Amino acid sequence: EAGVTQFPSHSVIEKGQTVTLRCDPISGHDNLYWYRRVMGKEIKFLLHFVKESKQDESGMPNNRFLAERTGGTYSTLKVQPAELEDSGVYFCASSRGQGGWLGEQYFGPGTRLTVT
Amino acid sequence: AQSVTQPDIHITVSEGASLELRCNYSYGATPYLFWYVQSPGQGLQLLLKYFSGDTLVQGIKGFEAEFKRSQSSFNLRKPSVHWSDAAEYFCAVGAGSNYQLIWGAGTKLIIKP
Repeated sequence: EAGVTQFPSHSVIEKGQTVTLRCDPISGHDNLYWYRRVMGKEIKFLLHFVKESKQDESGMPNNRFLAERTGGTYSTLKVQPAELEDSGVYFCASSRGQGGWLGEQYFGPGTRLTVT
Repeated sequence: AQSVTQPDIHITVSEGASLELRCNYSYGATPYLFWYVQSPGQGLQLLLKYFSGDTLVQGIKGFEAEFKRSQSSFNLRKPSVHWSDAAEYFCAVGAGSNYQLIWGAGTKLIIKP
């Protein structure tokens, strides 16, 4: 079974530009999560999809961030316009539909975003 | 508010020596506790988790962790480390009805030959 994949692995953009990160979860996983780790800090929850619906987006920093999961498969996270403080590693995770803490979250390798 | 503290940013251990990584949490209810590892270029991998029951939890790669409610701790241990254990280790607590993970800042493990 293929794991969670994320694209791109690295992205360097200038302040004010737009960047779109993509996450492909494990096939059949209804739950999809986005997390972010700013350099040297702890990983922070951004949002949670169940299929195509946003279950919880309480961790999204502001309205420059837009996440979508059309069709309940892959997800995109767009940052527009990017600011310097958006730099960090963005992780995606997915888990099976039975959810709860029995549903282990499987993580992708992350996308390292650098805003200059 | 829920929080997780990993007091050691870096730890250096000789190959073959024992290891203990510290984790303290703050959570109002019975916690769900996790340890993840991130090797260079890899995603986060679950090492072990504690939900209830036996407070000593066995995980993959020879790791174990002990839940101590009185100390609000969930320290990770391994009796003898291998060079391949060099990685960053994260402690996390499960919180909220939507199964968010609250993370510690991570501990980087360096193995001396």
